[in-house]
Amino acid sequence: KAGVTQTPRYLIKTRGQQVTLSCSPISGHRSVSWYQQTPGQGLQFLFEYFSETQRNKGNFPGRFSGRQFSNSRSEMNVSTLELGDSALYLCASSLGTAEAYGYTFGSGTRLTVV
Amino acid sequence: QQPVQSPQAVILREGEDAVINCSSSKALYSVHWYRQKHGEAPVFLMILLKGGEQKGHEKISASFNEKKQQSSLYLTASQLSYSGTYFCGTNSGYALNFGKGTSLLVTP
Repeated sequence: KAGVTQTPRYLIKTRGQQVTLSCSPISGHRSVSWYQQTPGQGLQFLFEYFSETQRNKGNFPGRFSGRQFSNSRSEMNVSTLELGDSALYLCASSLGTAEAYGYTFGSGTRLTVV
Repeated sequence: QQPVQSPQAVILREGEDAVINCSSSKALYSVHWYRQKHGEAPVFLMILLKGGEQKGHEKISASFNEKKQQSSLYLTASQLSYSGTYFCGTNSGYALNFGKGTSLLVTP
């Protein structure tokens, strides 16, 4: 079966711009989580959605937002980009709660802010 | 709260064993282990649920001591393919908090 699909794979944006990243989870998975990965901080949790509802949010500024659609696809948006937002953004889907079922990760979107 | 992993990095020769530790300051329901190879997505290895049961597949196994809020990942007779960064994840609401990772390099 198809894995978790993230688009685009690479993105270069200028400071102050906004960006939207997309994630299609594994068919049947209703939970989608987003993580920011940087060399210094590792995997930092952004937010988690289940059936279009945000159930959990990490410690990121309000510039980071997300949503989930009825088909479980999810998008995350970052407004007013800063240089420090450069990172690999990973989407992970789960059959139910991650703590019970674990994650399947997508390949990520590499965002570079210049 | 982010779990703490140790060591930060390990270099092994093929065939040697390694242990990676993960500890948390809060009570845990489960501990997860993932491996990420350079330029790839993290891949699920295993989940350990409350009960201390040791799980594993092939020559990689793990234990979970819920009283001590600790887990250890055991890599036995390491192979070149084991190289990568290992992350432990602990439950946090409906998601996982990950440690900063342990970089493992297996050399011939």
